[in-house]
Amino acid sequence: GNSVTQMEGPVTLSEEAFLTINCTYTATGYPSLFWYVQYPGEGLQLLLKATKADDKGSNKGFEATYRKETTSFHLEKGSVQVSDSAVYFCALSITGTSGSRLTFGEGTQLTVNP
Amino acid sequence: GAGVSQSPSNKVTEKGKDVELRCDPISGHTALYWYRQSLGQGLEFLIYFQGNSAPDKSGLPSDRFSAERTGGSVSTLTIQRTQQEDSAVYLCASSLQLAKGTDTQYFGPGTRLTVL
Repeated sequence: GNSVTQMEGPVTLSEEAFLTINCTYTATGYPSLFWYVQYPGEGLQLLLKATKADDKGSNKGFEATYRKETTSFHLEKGSVQVSDSAVYFCALSITGTSGSRLTFGEGTQLTVNP
Repeated sequence: GAGVSQSPSNKVTEKGKDVELRCDPISGHTALYWYRQSLGQGLEFLIYFQGNSAPDKSGLPSDRFSAERTGGSVSTLTIQRTQQEDSAVYLCASSLQLAKGTDTQYFGPGTRLTVL
C-alpha cells in the first residue's frame, strides 16, 4: 500500500533559522508529492507540489525536491519567520488510480519563536 | 472567488444520534473528497466523487457512514448512530480533476464533530 512518513515533531526554531522537515514515502506506482500547511485556526492549504522525479516545488521561500532514488520529498526553508508557525503535512497521490486521493503523513508541528 | 465551504463549523451531538455534514465545493470542480482528521488516526481519506460516476467509498470506516452528492455539486456526509470514536474534524476538498494524481485539492475549513 501507499504510505508517507514524516519526521516526528514538534519542531521549535528561532526566527531566521534553517528548517528541514523530512518526508519519505512508499508507493505502488508513480506518485505526485505535496506539502500542505495548516495555520492555526485555518484549513489545509497547498504549499507546494512536484509531479515527477527531480522536480522542485517552491513557494513562500519553501522548497522540496522529488527524489525518486531515496523516495523522499524533504521540505526546506532557509530562514523561517514567526508567521511560518503551523502544522505541515507531506502527502502523495497516485496517477492513474481512481481519483487523486491523498495519503498524508502524520503532520509536523512547527513553532518559530522571535 | 469563493472557496470550499462546510457547515456547520462545529457540531456537538450525543452518542447514538445521526448527524449530517455539508460541503459546497468550488464551482466547476468535478471532483469532491471527504477526509477525516483525528488525533489517533491523522488525516484519512473517506470517500471520493467524480462527476456522475459511482463514488469510491473505500475509505468509509463503517456502514454507519454514507455520503451523497446531489447534482454534481453539494455533498452531504451522514453518520448514523454516532459513536465517541467518530469525534474528529471532517474535511471536504474539491479539484478540477483535469489530470489524475497531479490535481491540487482545495480544502474547506472543516466541521469539528464532538460526540458526547
